[in-house]
Amino acid sequence: DTGVSQDPRHKITKRGQNVTFRCDPISEHNRLYWYRQTLGQGPEFLTYFQNEAQLEKSRLLSDRFSAERPKGSFSTLEIQRTEQGDSAMYLCASSLGQGSPLHFGNGTRLTVT
Amino acid sequence: EDKVVQSPLSLVVHEGDTVTLNCSYEVTNFRSLLWYKQEKKAPTFLFMLTSSGIEKKSGRLSSILDKKELFSILNITATQTGDSAIYLCAVEGYNNNDMRFGAGTRLTVKP
Repeated sequence: DTGVSQDPRHKITKRGQNVTFRCDPISEHNRLYWYRQTLGQGPEFLTYFQNEAQLEKSRLLSDRFSAERPKGSFSTLEIQRTEQGDSAMYLCASSLGQGSPLHFGNGTRLTVT
Repeated sequence: EDKVVQSPLSLVVHEGDTVTLNCSYEVTNFRSLLWYKQEKKAPTFLFMLTSSGIEKKSGRLSSILDKKELFSILNITATQTGDSAIYLCAVEGYNNNDMRFGAGTRLTVKP
């Protein structure tokens, strides 16, 4: 199955540390999205890429968050100086384009202690 | 601002019951409404609806959209314990590039 894969599955870090997550989308999908999900809530949009271009960022995304998608393939999401409020599931999704369903990875669960 | 409201937030039924999950929305320049099922990890796609009144069906699940009243329902007939999950509704507009999700309905099906 060549679905969306995310790494790591779990990350526990201390407050103030930097963390980086990776997402490998479905190979023919040119759109890649990052969402954050906390308990009891639906996924909240963070940012998205069309190929290698980052076209939109949510105002939820503070300047401690940065995402890249070099060469339009895999993507990384980095959180600098983590805070306890960053604890959440970080979901990556990819799609063929606007109007196509998103296909999600299994997420990276971040716990900031 | 775009908004998606799902109800109920949680629901407990017994195997064999029929359930109806609701999703109401406000979105600028509506393009589509999608339903997802989330068990332990990744939400998995169920339906995409773009036109009013046309039922989409897959096995015991079906869904319909009302673009005039701005809502959709997801029906599950003859529920099974494997239907236990969070059901998410999301909307997409022509003007924006993100899908806006509701908080989900947590369905528990007891044997």
